[in-house]
Amino acid sequence: DQQVKQNSPSLSVQEGRISILNCDYTNSMFDYFLWYKKYPAEGPTFLISISSIKDKNEDGRFTVFLNKSAKHLSLHIVPSQPGDSAVYFCAASAIQGAQKLVFGQGTRLTINP
Amino acid sequence: DSGVTQTPKHLITATGQRVTLRCSPRSGDLSVYWYQQSLDQGLQFLIQYYNGEERAKGNILERFSAQQFPDLHSELNLSSLELGDSALYFCASSGASQGNIQYFGAGTRLSVL
Repeated sequence: DQQVKQNSPSLSVQEGRISILNCDYTNSMFDYFLWYKKYPAEGPTFLISISSIKDKNEDGRFTVFLNKSAKHLSLHIVPSQPGDSAVYFCAASAIQGAQKLVFGQGTRLTINP
Repeated sequence: DSGVTQTPKHLITATGQRVTLRCSPRSGDLSVYWYQQSLDQGLQFLIQYYNGEERAKGNILERFSAQQFPDLHSELNLSSLELGDSALYFCASSGASQGNIQYFGAGTRLSVL
């Protein structure tokens, strides 16, 4: 039972354009969502998060959108840079109770010069 | 640098053996989490400790156990190892001031031959 899904295993985007990574979840108890970025041989690095009381959170080039009715969130990167090439993981948790993160499978983003 | 330290980086062992993975959390963080990542999949939550006490359990096998010591470092013990236990094992920590944001170490790559 995969509660967090990233349906695109990979995405290729031209440098300077917008990258959009998508994530769907099924558990309505989730109320906090995070995006992590992972380079090879490194641990996941926290990128940006959003609480379920918001529908948008922005941090520099990164914006996360949350659509609670559709149980869908997306990460927008504008403009995309070569250093953004990495695997991106979507994760979800419930603020109350156990705070374990439930991860999606990841999307490998490649930014082409 | 996330501030979370995991040792060793790599571990190669044989089936049936026992290994110990170590994690030092970020300074001041009371919560430690262990995750397993197999075959480029998403991270799977194993177990959480908070200030020395077990807080939550995920899909952790009975052959696996963990503990958190008074200095807050944590160890994950894997015994009677099987080929399928080969994976990346990540430790993460979080503190009260960061909400549900977890900071990850670089991981320990375990190879069971």
